[in-house]
Amino acid sequence: GEQVEQRPPHLSVREGDSAVIICTYTDPNSYYFFWYKQEPGAGLQLLMKVFSSTEINEGQGFTVLLNKKDKQLSLNLTAAHPGDSAVYFCAVREGGRALIFGTGTTVSVSP
Amino acid sequence: GPKVLQIPSHQIIDMGQMVTLNCDPVSNHLYFYWYKQILGQQMEFLVNFYNGKVMEKSKLFKDQFSVERPDGSYFTLKIQPTALEDSAVYFCASSPGQGRDTQYFGPGTRLLVL
Repeated sequence: GEQVEQRPPHLSVREGDSAVIICTYTDPNSYYFFWYKQEPGAGLQLLMKVFSSTEINEGQGFTVLLNKKDKQLSLNLTAAHPGDSAVYFCAVREGGRALIFGTGTTVSVSP
Repeated sequence: GPKVLQIPSHQIIDMGQMVTLNCDPVSNHLYFYWYKQILGQQMEFLVNFYNGKVMEKSKLFKDQFSVERPDGSYFTLKIQPTALEDSAVYFCASSPGQGRDTQYFGPGTRLLVL
């Protein structure tokens, strides 16, 4: 079945710097890709979902790139601020119902 | 945005006892899910529920687990009897449909089995 590797597990950045998290998946039939943010004591908050091949998607303060050729999904936090400190998870879905999650990246943004 | 609620937030029980975890999904959603996250590990799918039936389950969904949503009330996960390895955070999610539809997650129930 699908396996999702996420790296790095931990990321410490200074405010204003950028941070990149990368997920690599194995199943070429995966169709739907998600990034979630989890703050302490809270549920997962959807940041973005992407479906198309090789596409750059911009959100508020971040960019998501899907590269189906290399089976990679990345999240780039641009100009990080302390409010970005959280655990970030990628998730992949091939068409069934279950989300397959990456192992998570703990991001710490210091002033 | 849409909110999923989970009750309780924490639960401590003795091994062998029964526990019921409750989820209040988003009101117009039709698909419901449970995921399990052991401390320090990734979140793993347990089960998906639609129209009163289990649609899909993983190998983590042991025979001791059951789910139901009686009369549109809480979507529940029951574990009977519990085992030490059931200690984890359990997340409920709901979605209006499948495929590209977003799954909205609750804050989790932290279960500790002693």
